[in-house]
Amino acid sequence: EDQVTQSPEALRLQEGESSSLNCSYTVSGLRGLFWYRQDPGKGPEFLFTLYSAGEEKEKERLKATLTKKESFLHITAPKPEDSATYLCAVTGGTSYGKLTFGQGTILTVHP
Amino acid sequence: GAVVSQHPSWVICKSGTSVKIECRSLDFQATTMFWYRQFPKQSLMLMATSNEGSKATYEQGVEKDKFLINHASLTLSTLTVTSAHPEDSSFYICSARVRGSSYNEQFFGPGTRLTVL
Repeated sequence: EDQVTQSPEALRLQEGESSSLNCSYTVSGLRGLFWYRQDPGKGPEFLFTLYSAGEEKEKERLKATLTKKESFLHITAPKPEDSATYLCAVTGGTSYGKLTFGQGTILTVHP
Repeated sequence: GAVVSQHPSWVICKSGTSVKIECRSLDFQATTMFWYRQFPKQSLMLMATSNEGSKATYEQGVEKDKFLINHASLTLSTLTVTSAHPEDSSFYICSARVRGSSYNEQFFGPGTRLTVL
């Protein structure tokens, strides 16, 4: 069974204070690891897909990296508008096509 | 691109009534759509996978007679909560995969908040 564990559960940062969110996963034959951002009362917004260890992707202040066991979402010089819940999900060989989500990290960035 | 809409965005109904939620892919075709529910402060739980022109596949523990799914076209899937009860109150979110894409991303709708009185 695919499993995804995100840490920390909540993270409070000052504006400009860079940090990283962690996503540890267990999946048989990874077919994709996904990062989403979710604002309160809204659906998840797609950020990145990573497929193989060593892969990196960037978008504005966000950078996602992937190893064989975990992924990191690095946030550089965050702004208050980056405050949201960040969700990690995987799909793999036995559950291909379906996403298994982690519990999310609630990020709060204070001005 | 890859925009998914849901209607309604929120609904309040009395116990025992049925509620239909629509999920549309606006700028792409989707052979596969997914339905999730999310309880407060919890992550998304997959309820069912909807394939155009065929019966939906439900996850273990989800009552298929209670949550009726129809995927009648490449841009529309509907979820009907039949004989709704207060415990069905939740945030329902759909997602869609782009038809023919070699990537596995799912694009999500804005969600529907269902409150059953």
